[in-house]
Amino acid sequence: ELKVEQNPLFLSMQEGKNYTIYCNYSTTSDRLYWYRQDPGKSLESLFVLLSNGAVKQEGRLMASLDTKARLSTLHITAAVHDLSATYFCAALYSGGGADGLTFGKGTHLIIQP
Amino acid sequence: DAGVTQSPTHLIKTRGQHVTLRCSPISGHKSVSWYQQVLGQGPQFIFQYYEKEERGRGNFPDRFSARQFPNYSSELNVNALLLGDSALYLCASSLSPLLAGGEVSKNIQYFGAGTRLSVL
Repeated sequence: ELKVEQNPLFLSMQEGKNYTIYCNYSTTSDRLYWYRQDPGKSLESLFVLLSNGAVKQEGRLMASLDTKARLSTLHITAAVHDLSATYFCAALYSGGGADGLTFGKGTHLIIQP
Repeated sequence: DAGVTQSPTHLIKTRGQHVTLRCSPISGHKSVSWYQQVLGQGPQFIFQYYEKEERGRGNFPDRFSARQFPNYSSELNVNALLLGDSALYLCASSLSPLLAGGEVSKNIQYFGAGTRLSVL
């Protein structure tokens, strides 16, 4: 069974600072997603990471994947208030079959001025 | 273009009742998935449908069922509601079913705003 763990679950940081959210998964995964969710809203897809060493960047967010360590990271550079949200990582089991994503519990990020 | 639309947006039911949630996928998308998101948790996979066939099922009791119609819209049905069924139910659509080895660009899931179900 694929399990996904994120840490930290809650993060309060100041604008301008850098920080990293970690996502570990328990077994081989075909791909790794990062989503953003604002309060009362749905999920917005940020990144899809497929292969070992993959790195993707969009603005102040950068995601990477280490398949050997079964670890993905979401790095926030020079945080701004608009990035306050809950961030989820999700993995797709590589064992075959049409299945769904397995999500972590999410990291609730608050960025204060 | 319209995104994934879900109805109703909010629903209040009592224990033991039945509920039907509806989802219309993005035009051209043939796959629909359902997820349950309990407050403070990540979404949990319930079902995936493609071309009206069930293509995946998560670890949910038989009280949960779904179907997909010829126009690719979908319904999620929950019978004998329990307090623990209170959650945000999310529908996601994609061009093709989400499966390992599948073409990434075709099975990125786009989520609707969800239906918030409260069971009293």
